[in-house]
Amino acid sequence: GQQLNQSPQSMFIQEGEDVSMNCTSSSIFNTWLWYKQDPGEGPVLLIALYKAGELTSNGRLTAQFGITRKDSFLNISASIPSDVGIYFCAGYGANSKLTFGKGITLSVRP
Amino acid sequence: SAVISQKPSRDICQRGTSLTIQCQVDSQVTMMFWYRQQPGQSLTLIATANQGSEATYESGFVIDKFPISRPNLTFSTLTVSNMSPEDSSIYLCSVQTGGGGEETQYFGPGTRLLVL
Repeated sequence: GQQLNQSPQSMFIQEGEDVSMNCTSSSIFNTWLWYKQDPGEGPVLLIALYKAGELTSNGRLTAQFGITRKDSFLNISASIPSDVGIYFCAGYGANSKLTFGKGITLSVRP
Repeated sequence: SAVISQKPSRDICQRGTSLTIQCQVDSQVTMMFWYRQQPGQSLTLIATANQGSEATYESGFVIDKFPISRPNLTFSTLTVSNMSPEDSSIYLCSVQTGGGGEETQYFGPGTRLLVL
């Protein structure tokens, strides 16, 4: 089946630093979505990517749809304490269902 | 986008009982989904809630355990039946918007279920 790989499971950064998260797959995906989940909340959509090579920004967040259609990355610049949370990548592949990665827990040290 | 609400937000239930979770969307949507997120895990699709027909269940999930209703284009319910402690999870409703290769899913706040 289709799988999305996110690693490492946890990341620890200093406030003000930039951080990059990758999401990879052995299968082709036609849409990539990045979500953030805070404790006790549902996932919130950060960025949606629909075309290979597409680079999209949302404030301090930037995400790219890999040219091979098998990967995507999310960058967070100038991190702040409220960036703490779990970041999930998700994608629509050949089966037209949304597949989720396992998520990366981000901690930001003040 | 879509604004989604779920009720209850959390509950503590005794084993053997059932709980019905409600999901309300602020606009009419064709595709609604129910997910389960076990503690510390990612999201797993339970079923697609189809308006006017039976839900479509994923492997490992059955209608007798997770009956779903979808009476209209803005509302759905998921029942967790004959609960056991293994059913303790977050249950999330989502809706799909867009089309033509530009689909997106938006999620509700989730229902946190603890089964004793």
